[in-house]
Amino acid sequence: DIQMTQSPSTLSASVGDRVTITCRASQSISGWLAWYQQKPGKAPKLLISDASSLESGVPSRFSGSGSGTEFTLTISSLQPDDFATYYCQQYDSYSRTFGQGTKLEIK
Amino acid sequence: QVQLQQSGPGLVKPSETLSLTCTVSGDYISIYYWSWIRQPPGKGLEWIGYVYDSWSSKSNPSLKSRVTISVDTSKSQFSLKLSSVTAADTAMYYCVRARSGRTFDIWGQGTMVTVSS
Repeated sequence: DIQMTQSPSTLSASVGDRVTITCRASQSISGWLAWYQQKPGKAPKLLISDASSLESGVPSRFSGSGSGTEFTLTISSLQPDDFATYYCQQYDSYSRTFGQGTKLEIK
Repeated sequence: QVQLQQSGPGLVKPSETLSLTCTVSGDYISIYYWSWIRQPPGKGLEWIGYVYDSWSSKSNPSLKSRVTISVDTSKSQFSLKLSSVTAADTAMYYCVRARSGRTFDIWGQGTMVTVSS
C-alpha cells in the first residue's frame, strides 16, 4: 500500500490566517491526489481532486498543489466555517489510502 | 440530486458477518463505481473497497479475504458484507459514490456499527 503522511497533525490558527497542510506519499503518485474536509459528526466533503482541481461550489480560498510525493492544501484566509479536519487521499494505486488527518483548530 | 441511504444493523456480535446496504436515488447506479469507507471512533478514514458491476470489484488488501461488495442494479442498491468481525471492526461505515473509482464525491449518512456480544 502507498502510505500517506500529513503534517502537522494539529494546526492552531486564527480567522484570516493563511494556512498550509502538507501531504507526503511513500512513493510517487503523479497528481492523483484528493483533499477532503470533515466536520464533527458529518461525512467528509470532497474539496480538491487531481491535486489542484477545485470541486464545484468550493470557495476559491482553498487551493491545492504538488505532484509526485509532496502535496499541499492552502487556505488563503481562514473563515470560521473552515475549522475542521482535513484528509488527503491517493488514487494512484488501486488500493486507495488516506492520510491520518490534520485537525485545524481555532487559536 | 444523488442521494445515498444506508441501512443495516448497528450492533454485530464478534465472529459474525456485518451486512450493510446502500440505496442510490437520483442517479443511474450502473454508470458509477460505488465504495465503502469506514472510520473507527476518533480515527481516520479507511477505504474498504468498491464495486462497478457484478464482475468488477476491488477491496483493501488488509480486509480482502473478509470483504464482499456487490451491486443489485435492479434495486439500485449496493452492499457490504464483512465476515468474522472483531472489536477492531467497530466504526462508522459510509457508502460513497466513487467517481471513476478514484475520488469520493457523494457520501451516505453513515452507519455506526459496534461489534460487541
